[in-house]
This record gives sequence, C-alpha cells and structure tokens, in this order.
Amino acid sequence: NAGVTQTPKFQVLKTGQSMTLQCAQDMNHEYMSWYRQDPGMGLRLIHYSVGAGITDQGEVPNGYNVSRSTTEDFPLRLLSAAPSQTSVYFCASSRTGTNTGELFFGEGSRLTVL
Amino acid sequence: DQQVKQNSPSLSVQEGRISILNCDYTNSMFDYFLWYKKYPAEGPTFLISISSIKDKNEDGRFTVFLNKSAKHLSLHIVPSQPGDSAVYFCAAHTWGGKLIFGQGTELSVKP
Repeated sequence: NAGVTQTPKFQVLKTGQSMTLQCAQDMNHEYMSWYRQDPGMGLRLIHYSVGAGITDQGEVPNGYNVSRSTTEDFPLRLLSAAPSQTSVYFCASSRTGTNTGELFFGEGSRLTVL
Repeated sequence: DQQVKQNSPSLSVQEGRISILNCDYTNSMFDYFLWYKKYPAEGPTFLISISSIKDKNEDGRFTVFLNKSAKHLSLHIVPSQPGDSAVYFCAAHTWGGKLIFGQGTELSVKP
C-alpha cells in the first residue's frame, strides 16, 4: 500500500518555466489537498478538492492551478514559476467522511526557482 | 492573517521530563484541533486530535488540552523521549473541510 505518492522529489526551474507536481493516492480518499512549507510560515493550504471534478482555493492559491479528473490523482501546476514559489510542497489526502482533519501526507517535493 | 499561531519556534527538554507545546487560534468556527509531527525529509504524520466540544484527549504519552475561552490548545508529552525530537504543528479544521496549520515548534529532547 503506497499511500500518497509525490513526484518529483526535487526540481529546479528557471523563472517563467512551467511544471506539474504529481500526486497520487491509492486509499480511495475523496479529499486531497496541496500545501507549501516555508520557514517561519508553517504549512499553508494552496488548493484542495473534496472529490473528482471539485476543486477550491486555499490560503495561497495565486500562481497555482489544480484539477481533479480522477479520485486518485491531484496534480498541481505552476504555469509561470517565480522565485517566491521556491518551497517544499506536500500533497495530502483523507476520507471526507471522517470530517476531523486527519490527513495522510506524501513525502514532499522540494522546488527551487532560480 | 494567521488564524493558528505557534509562538515558540523551538523547545528543548530533558529526556524523561514533560514537553509542553502551545498553540493559539483566532477563529471560533473550528470543529477539530489536531497535532502533527514531522521529521526531516518526511511528510507530517497525524499525532492526536480533539473535538471543539471536549477539553482533553489522551493517547498514551500524549495529551491535548483545549481552553476554548482562551482560544488556546496545548500538547503535553510525558515522559519525553529522544525519538520525540521533531517539528510539531498544530492545526485547526474548519466546518468547510480546510485544515489550517500553525508555524510549527521544533522540539529537541536531550538524553
């Protein structure tokens, strides 16, 4: 049972380049989300989804796009990377029915934008 | 506008003693509060939670206390062990399904 899988684990981009961070879960969880972790800022919610076809914005959505075409996958797209998007990104999932906030996290993707 | 705040970036305690990690929140619409633990180069893992209608929840060495009037929660670890050394995040769950995290406190337990 793989849980939540994120790829790539490390990525270096130049300003203006685009890329997609992949996230897949094999637990049949309805809820999926993306966070970024920055020093002194904790984990900040970027986007989340309560099920296939449904997405919504979190605390810091600007510069990021998401889609949820299947239950398993929730990719995060950076259309034009900026140095301010240098961060560690975490994908997380949970069963919506628990409604208590217990999330399962991936191992993270470290992104550097030069 | 930080809705969940952990004002202590770091905490150092001796093995066997009690560790107390604190968290304050500003929004009364949270229904659950949670603590997550994070080791370097790993994703956070769920540790313990408490419903907003409770004031205490205990799980082994870990106890979470909720003071609703003060909008404050704390995590007690007794006794502390070197393996508890990690970054601890408190988080608050909204009725709409969002989980809002604090900045984290790095706990170091010295042998």
